[in-house]
Amino acid sequence: AAGVIQSPRHLIKEKRETATLKCYPIPRHDTVYWYQQGPGQDPQFLISFYEKMQSDKGSIPDRFSAQQFSDYHSELNMSSLELGDSALYFCASSLDRGSSYNSPLHFGNGTRLTVT
Amino acid sequence: ELKVEQNPLFLSMQEGKNYTIYCNYSTTSDRLYWYRQDPGKSLESLFVLLSNGAVKQEGRLMASLDTKARLSTLHITAAVHDLSATYFCAVADWGGSEKLVFGKGMKLTVNP
Repeated sequence: AAGVIQSPRHLIKEKRETATLKCYPIPRHDTVYWYQQGPGQDPQFLISFYEKMQSDKGSIPDRFSAQQFSDYHSELNMSSLELGDSALYFCASSLDRGSSYNSPLHFGNGTRLTVT
Repeated sequence: ELKVEQNPLFLSMQEGKNYTIYCNYSTTSDRLYWYRQDPGKSLESLFVLLSNGAVKQEGRLMASLDTKARLSTLHITAAVHDLSATYFCAVADWGGSEKLVFGKGMKLTVNP
């Protein structure tokens, strides 16, 4: 079965550089979520999109932005990178709550971002 | 604000033993999830619990939900080394976006 695809798997950037993370949800899934997981931490919600519109926002720095495109893939753009941005970034997808009540959020394999 | 607490956060147990871990949450929700995560890997869905009294079992793991007490348990039966991982409880926030709020996770080590 198709899963959530994230790219790249690993990314190394220097401080103050920019990074773009991509997420391709499971086909027919219309909702995308981004989470950040620091070392030894629990995943923290950043932002979500439903039908290409932002649906919720969590603890996402102003330096970060995201969008969902017409083909439902999403990109997380990160600028002025800081050492503390080093983390695993997960994308998850689901069907709209009303039609997917019994299904979990499906997580991708994550992008490991290292800022040096 | 929805808060999710797990205990214990670390557990070392012998193979063949049983143990129950707990997940409490602070505000009303209608969905609770358990995920497993191996080091550096993705989050693997174990259970989705939707209603009060829900009980689900998969292999050596059994999860239950008490929505009135805002409590879920994950029971491990006859632990084996392959169960070693971090287990997260996550609760759907009624804010409407279906976003999940995670507990801190419980790191389980099963010793031979």
